[in-house]
Parts: sequence; structure tokens; C-alpha cells
Amino acid sequence: DTEVTQTPKHLVMGMTNKKSLKCEQHMGHRAMYWYKQKAKKPPELMFVYSYEKLSINESVPSRFSPECPNSSLLNLHLHALQPEDSALYLCASSQATPQNSGANVLTFGAGSRLTVL
Amino acid sequence: EDKVVQSPLSLVVHEGDTVTLNCSYEVTNFRSLLWYKQEKKAPTFLFMLTSSGIEKKSGRLSSILDKKELFSILNITATQTGDSAVYLCARWVSNFGNEKLTFGTGTRLTIIP
Repeated sequence: DTEVTQTPKHLVMGMTNKKSLKCEQHMGHRAMYWYKQKAKKPPELMFVYSYEKLSINESVPSRFSPECPNSSLLNLHLHALQPEDSALYLCASSQATPQNSGANVLTFGAGSRLTVL
Repeated sequence: EDKVVQSPLSLVVHEGDTVTLNCSYEVTNFRSLLWYKQEKKAPTFLFMLTSSGIEKKSGRLSSILDKKELFSILNITATQTGDSAVYLCARWVSNFGNEKLTFGTGTRLTIIP
């Protein structure tokens, strides 16, 4: 199994809603990532988990709350989002941890397209 | 700041043409450079380059790294409509003891039948 699975594929939410994005991988990877991608822009790193611990937070606003319940799962909890948070949210995983990632490949999921009204 | 700059930003060619996409980067603590193809959603991995002057090849796609001049190119020969996509170049950069994969702006390639 060489897939990263993300759910839901599409999500529409109001600014007062609470929702979650989910990501799952069964490749035995120990690092998992959240990227945000706006239209016609490259993916931008948000968070990295290494062995289920948060190792990189790219100064992301607290209305985005990541969680890594186990080595296969990664969640992104969303609360009080703004319309400018509308984007494609990509999850990825890799074998190596951020301390030793320099020659590793990220495998991406298909993304969750979020629209905030 | 460790930037990754790609050119051209967009490219439109006819089916059967050969294209060359460019990626330049800054030098600090270079580990590897990766190429991805992104169609609708998930970026899919194409190549990882760590050594200068060694060409990586997969079918009609090939890529090479020049560590002295700090750039990489991605070549696609005999292009097909299925090659239409955004091609992303990325490199690993240091981030306070951790490393993160940073992407360039991408090149949007359109193949006209």
C-alpha cells in the first residue's frame, strides 16, 4: 500500500464551524506533513510530525490545530477559519524524520479542498 | 532565505515538441533536489537528484543537476497531452535543526494536441 488517503475530498464550512481534516498512511512512514496550497501557488509547509510529536510549526495561526493520534493518522482541526483560509490542504508522509530528511521523498495525498464562507 | 526559482512560469507547446524546465536554488547546506508533477491535486514524485552531472531518466522524462551553477533542468521529449501539468521543483532546507521541503513557484506546462 503506497497511498496517502485524505478525507474529506471537499469541505465547505462557515467561519463559526468546527471541522477536521483527516489523513492516513500505511507505509510505515514516521514523518507526516500538512501543506497548504492556494490557487496557482506552490504548496507551503504548515506542520511536521516526527514519531507522533510535533517538530515543525511554520507559525501557523492557532485556528489550525494539528493532531497525530498514532503513526498512521494525522488530523487537522479547524475552528473559526477565515475566507482567506480557503485552499487545498495536502497531507504527505516520508520515511525519515525532519532531523534527517535531506535525501527523502514525500508521498502526497490527493488533498482536501476547503472553502470557508 | 533558501529560495527555489523556476522558469518559465508557464509554457505552451504542441504535442511532439521537446521542453526544458529550469530550477535554480541557493546553496546553503544542499542535500537534494526533487521534481514533482501536479495535475489536479496530489503532487506525484518524478526524480530526486543528489549528485551533480548524473542524469536521471524515466521514459521521455529526464533530469540533471549542476551543483556548481546551482540549477537543475527537467527535460520532456515527444510531449503528449498527458504531460500537461504544473511541474514543481523542491529542495530540502534547514530549519533550526530540522529540515523541510521547500517548493519553487512551479512551471505550468500546457500541451496542445
